[in-house]
Amino acid sequence: IAGITQAPTSQILAAGRRMTLRCTQDMRHNAMYWYRQDLGLGLRLIHYSNTAGTTGKGEVPDGYSVSRANTDDFPLTLASAVPSQTSVYFCASSDSSLAGGDTQYFGPGTRLTVL
Amino acid sequence: AQSVTQPDIHITVSEGASLELRCNYSYGATPYLFWYVQSPGQGLQLLLKYFSGDTLVQGIKGFEAEFKRSQSSFNLRKPSVHWSDAAEYFCAVGRMNYGGSQGNLIFGKGTKLSVKP
Repeated sequence: IAGITQAPTSQILAAGRRMTLRCTQDMRHNAMYWYRQDLGLGLRLIHYSNTAGTTGKGEVPDGYSVSRANTDDFPLTLASAVPSQTSVYFCASSDSSLAGGDTQYFGPGTRLTVL
Repeated sequence: AQSVTQPDIHITVSEGASLELRCNYSYGATPYLFWYVQSPGQGLQLLLKYFSGDTLVQGIKGFEAEFKRSQSSFNLRKPSVHWSDAAEYFCAVGRMNYGGSQGNLIFGKGTKLSVKP
């Protein structure tokens, strides 16, 4: 069982370009999440999805969009990348989002540099 | 608002010494509490979690944490640190509702642990 896979592992991107970070889980979890991790700031929630077909905004959603067409995939898109989006991005999933107590399982991350 | 504070940004301990990483939370109800570990270049791995019941929680890799409601704390401990424990540790509180029916985790900013030989 792979758990959560993310692609690419790392990427250098010119400002203004469009970029999609991919996330796939094979645990049939209902909920999925995107976080960004920045030095000294910990992890901050960008967007989430309670179940396929629904998405919601997290703490820092501006400049990002997501979709959840099926249970397994949860891509994160930067429509026009800016240098402040340089970060490490983690995708996570949990069986249910409603309780707040479900364990979240994390992918290995994507290191994105926007120049 | 819910929040998690990890007062120590960086801690260095000698191999074989005991370890305690501090975590304080702010939450209006009984919290769900988690400790995650992140090795360099890796994702986060769950060490342990507290939902209810016994306030001393055992986790993987010999870690334990104690929930103290009166102090709003959930400190992580290990009696004897190994060099492989060098990593960054994140405390998190599980939130029941966020703009609807979404529960998610609020993370502290992390404590980096270095281990001296």
